[in-house]
Amino acid sequence: GQQLNQSPQSMFIQEGEDVSMNCTSSSIFNTWLWYKQEPGEGPVLLIALYKAGELTSNGRLTAQFGITRKDSFLNISASIPSDVGIYFCAGPSNFGNEKLTFGTGTRLTIIP
Amino acid sequence: DAGVIQSPRHEVTEMGQEVTLRCKPISGHDYLFWYRQTMMRGLELLIYFNNNVPIDDSGMPEDRFSAKMPNASFSTLKIQPSEPRDSAVYFCASSLTGYGYTFGSGTRLTVV
Repeated sequence: GQQLNQSPQSMFIQEGEDVSMNCTSSSIFNTWLWYKQEPGEGPVLLIALYKAGELTSNGRLTAQFGITRKDSFLNISASIPSDVGIYFCAGPSNFGNEKLTFGTGTRLTIIP
Repeated sequence: DAGVIQSPRHEVTEMGQEVTLRCKPISGHDYLFWYRQTMMRGLELLIYFNNNVPIDDSGMPEDRFSAKMPNASFSTLKIQPSEPRDSAVYFCASSLTGYGYTFGSGTRLTVV
């Protein structure tokens, strides 16, 4: 089946630094979604991307849909303590299919 | 909107006991998903429903697991008999066709 690999697995950064993470797939995706999971809660949708090359921002977050359609990137600028959590990429298993495959996650820790 | 509501938030049970997890999706959503999250395996899709009908249960680990959706506002995931390896966080999520999921806060299950 489809696999989504995220890197890095974990990040330890200082407050104020920018963050970059990516997600790669073994097959083409037509939609990329980025979720954030805080401790003790379910993942929350941050950004949705629907077109190759698309660049979308949500506040300090910016995500890009890779041109090859096999990857996506998430950047967080000027990190703050509340950015702590696990970030997941996700995409539908087949075109038009509601069944999402989730990536392995990137755990972000902010050092004060 | 109250979001996706799961109960209980925490469940501790003895091996061999029956466990029932409950989910109320967002009103109007036509898809409902059950996921399991563990450190080792990440987020795994167990089963999903469309308009109350099970579509794909290929992720259900064993016959000990069963899920029902008797109406559009309620679903259950049952484990009988439970085993220690079933310990995990179980998430329910719902979506409207074509949009990203909304997750509940999860049920943390511990089987001792």
